[in-house]
Amino acid sequence: DGGITQSPKYLFRKEGQNVTLSCEQNLNHDAMYWYRQDPGQGLRLIYYSQIVNDFQKGDIAEGYSVSREKKESFPLTVTSAQKNPTAFYLCASNSPGVGTGELFFGEGSRLTVL
Amino acid sequence: QQPVQSPQAVILREGEDAVINCSSSKALYSVHWYRQKHGEAPVFLMILLKGGEQKGHDKISASFNEKKQQSSLYLTASQLSYSGTYFCGINSGGSNYKLTFGKGTLLTVNP
Repeated sequence: DGGITQSPKYLFRKEGQNVTLSCEQNLNHDAMYWYRQDPGQGLRLIYYSQIVNDFQKGDIAEGYSVSREKKESFPLTVTSAQKNPTAFYLCASNSPGVGTGELFFGEGSRLTVL
Repeated sequence: QQPVQSPQAVILREGEDAVINCSSSKALYSVHWYRQKHGEAPVFLMILLKGGEQKGHDKISASFNEKKQQSSLYLTASQLSYSGTYFCGINSGGSNYKLTFGKGTLLTVNP
């Protein structure tokens, strides 16, 4: 079945450590996105990528980094520079201009900094 | 800038109707609506493109007023399965890239 796989589902990190969240899609979508979700804040865009080897900052990119070396993969690294990293992270993908352009989301990764 | 959703929360009895509004300070190209159940990923409901169209499926429909830069989601004869948080996502750039989401509306449907 086609879809988006995020891992790990739960992650605990000590302060000062970097952590990488994985996102893989087999939907052949061109664009991929990372959103952060905090209670009462909705979904805020961290980074997005429209094609391989290219990505742009979203609204809250500070303290995060990404790469897009393959079409199907878009990992997110939460660095020690991110002041408040505890959150629920959602990866999404779509093919803009194809059909409705709807976003397909992964199941999310919940990061807790101890 | 995030679009503004209202109300923040609404509680219904099964069979009642609800309206969720989404307003933007920017001109809109398209509006997406998603529903997220607790602990799950958001699921796409519908997209509206500029042109003031109204869409719907089953008992959930939406309208898009380009001049007022707002969209409304209508849920009629609500069912228990409608419970969840509803998000509108707006795009101002003429493509389906980069959606900016509102803070969400928590809808609770009770028996």
